[in-house]
Amino acid sequence: QVQLVESGGGVVPPGRSLRLSCAASGFTFSSYGMHWVRQAPGKGLEWVSSIWYDGSYKNYVDSVKGRFTISRDNSKNTLYLQLNSLRAEDTAVYYCARDIGRGLPPRGYFDLWGRGTRVTVSS
Amino acid sequence: EIVLTQSPATLSLSPGERATLSCRASQSISTYLAWYQQKPGQAPRLLIFDTSDRATGVPARFSGSGSGTDFTLTISSLEPEDFAVYYCQQRSTWPPLTFGGGTKVEIK
Repeated sequence: QVQLVESGGGVVPPGRSLRLSCAASGFTFSSYGMHWVRQAPGKGLEWVSSIWYDGSYKNYVDSVKGRFTISRDNSKNTLYLQLNSLRAEDTAVYYCARDIGRGLPPRGYFDLWGRGTRVTVSS
Repeated sequence: EIVLTQSPATLSLSPGERATLSCRASQSISTYLAWYQQKPGQAPRLLIFDTSDRATGVPARFSGSGSGTDFTLTISSLEPEDFAVYYCQQRSTWPPLTFGGGTKVEIK
């Protein structure tokens, strides 16, 4: 079954850290670029970060640069997002998503999504 | 950063009616635009990419058009399961990848 399953969300106070995971199955994970997209409560979608299929290139939305780190372990078919120095405005459901294309560079569309993991930053 | 503006914010229609959703980009994005559908409590679903290509399994009643800065998603005849929020997204110039604010299609 082709799917993505996120985990690692929770409630944390401002300034703390969290590590999100996204387990992929049913497809050749190592062939695809991957992304994180978030959605604040009652709001729209916001792209957060992307990583090339081999992990060689990463990029981030400005609001998380220097605080969040995307990574992947192709041997474990898992995508990660390390969230440091969390702020209230980082509160959202975080989705991992597969890029529509294989190889380099990612095409920048999301054709497979997980169900999301909720991150709440609150004291 | 390319800003996408969707209109209207809410579209109230009845099943069987035609829905026309608009997405305008702050600068030309050629045809590098996608549309997603999101239902309450669910992840988004890719409908259309590169302006007019339907994703796998998407019914033919969904179609996309446009180029440059103005784009349209058309649902030819609304089915009950089509009532949802729709987002456009551009990949012309990134990072960042950007989304529009969404259009809610609700039952009239």
